[in-house]
Amino acid sequence: EVQLVQSGAEVKKPGESLKISCKGSGYSFTSYWIGWVRQMPGKGLEWMGIIFPGDSATTYSPSFQGQVTMSADKSISTAYLQWSSLKASDTAMYYCARQDHDSSGYYPYWGQGTLVTVSS
Amino acid sequence: DIQMTQSPSSLPASVGDRVTITCRASQSISSYLNWYQQKPGKAPNLLINAASTLQSGVPSRFSGSGSGTDFTLTISSLQPEDFATYYCQQSYSSRHTFGGGTTVEIK
Repeated sequence: EVQLVQSGAEVKKPGESLKISCKGSGYSFTSYWIGWVRQMPGKGLEWMGIIFPGDSATTYSPSFQGQVTMSADKSISTAYLQWSSLKASDTAMYYCARQDHDSSGYYPYWGQGTLVTVSS
Repeated sequence: DIQMTQSPSSLPASVGDRVTITCRASQSISSYLNWYQQKPGKAPNLLINAASTLQSGVPSRFSGSGSGTDFTLTISSLQPEDFATYYCQQSYSSRHTFGGGTTVEIK
């Protein structure tokens, strides 16, 4: 069974750094693209970007390019999303999701979400 | 980037109603259009990919159609569990984008 398990909720202050994780299991972690999706409170879904854990190739949305960094550690089947300096506007739920077959572009598998709260 | 516009943003409906949600792309995306359902506090759930392919386990009252720039998601007879927010997502471009969402609410 394919599973994506995300790290727990975080409460941070503006300017702090953060790295959240998404651990995949039940499939070959290096063979499928993983995407990250932001959902601000009461708002819609925003596609942030994707990473291919096999070679760590990434594609970012222009809205998030330079604002976050996606990475992956093949040895522990885990993808990461990180910020170097958080802003209050980063407060949101963040989901990781796995694409179906290679470059299918759609996401049948989702993590449970990580709630990030940034407040002074 | 390809912009995805959904309408309406809110759709009051009753159980048994036929419901249609529209999604329009800012440029042609062929059939690279996917639909998700999201309920409060839950992760999105993929309903349809490639404009009209129903995911396994999704009830047959859900259907999708369209190609190019205009797409529709139809629920033939709305059930109580269908009150939720629906999103379209394009995968034509390597930079995927979601529509703004349509909330189907109780009339």
